[in-house]
Amino acid sequence: GENVEQHPSTLSVQEGDSAVIKCTYSDSASNYFPWYKQELGKRPQLIIDIRSNVGEKKDQRIAVTLNKTAKHFSLHITETQPEDSAVYFCAASNMLTFGGGTRLMVKP
Amino acid sequence: DVKVTQSSRYLVKRTGEKVFLECVQDMDHENMFWYRQDPGLGLRLIYFSYDVKMKEKGDIPEGYSVSREKKERFSLILESASTNQTSMYLCASSRVTGTEQYFGPGTRLTVT
Repeated sequence: GENVEQHPSTLSVQEGDSAVIKCTYSDSASNYFPWYKQELGKRPQLIIDIRSNVGEKKDQRIAVTLNKTAKHFSLHITETQPEDSAVYFCAASNMLTFGGGTRLMVKP
Repeated sequence: DVKVTQSSRYLVKRTGEKVFLECVQDMDHENMFWYRQDPGLGLRLIYFSYDVKMKEKGDIPEGYSVSREKKERFSLILESASTNQTSMYLCASSRVTGTEQYFGPGTRLTVT
């Protein structure tokens, strides 16, 4: 089955800085890579996703890049704000194997 | 908006009890999922269902079973609860495979 590793497990940045979270996956057949954000006490919600036929996707301050050859994908958040503080999960494959999560803390 | 609801937000059960967790979605989604969420371990898939009466094991099915008698409803059953099943349980649904999953609010189960 699929195995997804996510790094770092915690990330602290100053407001306005950029944050990068990286994930690697094992199954070369995986073709769907979503990112979920989970605020404290709330349910995970999709923030961006990418499919294997695309190398990069952007949505305002958020971008995801995918390197299929190396089997890794990354979430990039620019101009971070305190409301970006949350746990972020990457996932891979059609049935979604999740990474262990990254707790992002944005200091005002 | 898609709405996924779970029968309880908090549940306390004793070791050996049979536990039922229920999930309902209102958007006619084909797929439904049960995950457990533990600190540092992310979301681990217990079971999923891609159609009524159909189910597939996920990564950690031991000690759990599921039931999907109607398209909108997916139940997780702990036949004999144990303390190592204390966790947050999240249900999710998706329209089809490889699309966004919508999560329920979660059930925090404590087994004493």
